[in-house]
Amino acid sequence: KAGVTQTPRYLIKTRGQQVTLSCSPISGHRSVSWYQQTPGQGLQFLFEYFSETQRNKGNFPGRFSGRQFSNSRSEMNVSTLELGDSALYLCASSFTVATNEKLFFGSGTQLSVL
Amino acid sequence: TQLLEQSPQFLSIQEGENLTVYCNSSSVFSSLQWYRQEPGEGPVLLVTVVTGGEVKKLKRLTFQFGDARKDSSLHITAAQPGDTGLYLCAGSSAAGNKLTFGGGTRVLVKP
Repeated sequence: KAGVTQTPRYLIKTRGQQVTLSCSPISGHRSVSWYQQTPGQGLQFLFEYFSETQRNKGNFPGRFSGRQFSNSRSEMNVSTLELGDSALYLCASSFTVATNEKLFFGSGTQLSVL
Repeated sequence: TQLLEQSPQFLSIQEGENLTVYCNSSSVFSSLQWYRQEPGEGPVLLVTVVTGGEVKKLKRLTFQFGDARKDSSLHITAAQPGDTGLYLCAGSSAAGNKLTFGGGTRVLVKP
């Protein structure tokens, strides 16, 4: 069974640009959540989708957005990039959104904003 | 805002020694998870503890959830170089996958 796949693996952008990151969950998983990981702030929750609906959102500005498609694949978009957006963006999938459902993380997309 | 504090931030030990990592909060969590993350990879779930006072063992790793469900610890016995990595605790307070992560403890086990 393939794991969570995130593309691209690495990305370099300049300030002001926008970026789209992609996440393919494990087959059969319907929940996808996104996290940002930085050395200073650690792992922070961005948002969570289940059956194409956003269920939860973290404390990030509106420049961060996401969506989920009918095949459960998810994308997140960051507009008007800032230097501080440089981070490892991790996607995680689970079968449902039940309490204590096991999360499976992808290897992440390393975004560098110059 | 719920916060999880991990200590220590960094641990360097020799192979065969024991170590303990702590995860503390002023908030109550419905469950707490421990992950290990290696460079270039995403976190991998090690264990989920749900009941206050619960103790779970995974080979040489022992996980404990505090009675009040506000804190947890991870103890590794006879550490091996393969235990090297970033250990993260994460708390859940509701259904869904919105986790609050601790800052992580970087463990280095030298052969």
